[in-house]
Amino acid sequence: QVQLVQSGAEVKKPGAAVRVSCKASGYTFASYYMHWVRQAPGQGLEWMGRINPDNGGTKYSQKFQGRVKLTRDTSIDTAYLEFTRLRLDDTAVYFCAAAYCGGDCPPSFWGQGTLVTVSS
Amino acid sequence: QSALTQPASVSGSPGQSITISCSGINSDVGYYKYVSWYQQHPGKAPKFTIYEVNKRPLGVSNRFSGSTSGNTASLTISGLQAEDEAVYYCTSFFSGTWVFGGGTKVTVL
Repeated sequence: QVQLVQSGAEVKKPGAAVRVSCKASGYTFASYYMHWVRQAPGQGLEWMGRINPDNGGTKYSQKFQGRVKLTRDTSIDTAYLEFTRLRLDDTAVYFCAAAYCGGDCPPSFWGQGTLVTVSS
Repeated sequence: QSALTQPASVSGSPGQSITISCSGINSDVGYYKYVSWYQQHPGKAPKFTIYEVNKRPLGVSNRFSGSTSGNTASLTISGLQAEDEAVYYCTSFFSGTWVFGGGTKVTVL
């Protein structure tokens, strides 16, 4: 079955960077876009961007453009979120989520989430 | 960036039907079908509940149904059960990006 396993919780200082990984299994990793979505404490879901694992093509939310970089390593079926210049209000749970169909399809299969805490 | 508007909360008694609205979806031809809904219980990842307006992923109860009218999408839960108490989010597709609604807390009385 489809499984997305994310890396563990992180604590970072303001201005630092963080990298979150998302290991996929149970399907053909390169065939379906991988989305990244975050959720601040007590808040709603916020789409950050997606990557096409086949060719590395990316699309980002305007809000995060310039601070977020999505990459992937197809040799180990893993997607990465790199988030730089962290601020206190970037404290959130970060989810990866694979699309259910090829091309521009919405997130469907979700990872367990990674808590990133930004604190001075 | 476009915004999707959902009511903050909806409640109902067990066995009743409730409907959650999501206004501001992309109603352009070709994008109309890109409406999805997610259910999220506290401390859990969201669960894919409805896609392409009214389709259910495998394993999702047929008590969940979706529809659209103009630029508003709706999620209906029939035969409300205690386990349906959760937050529900809609999403739509705009110019290559996905936008989520603010979420609706469903309370089973």
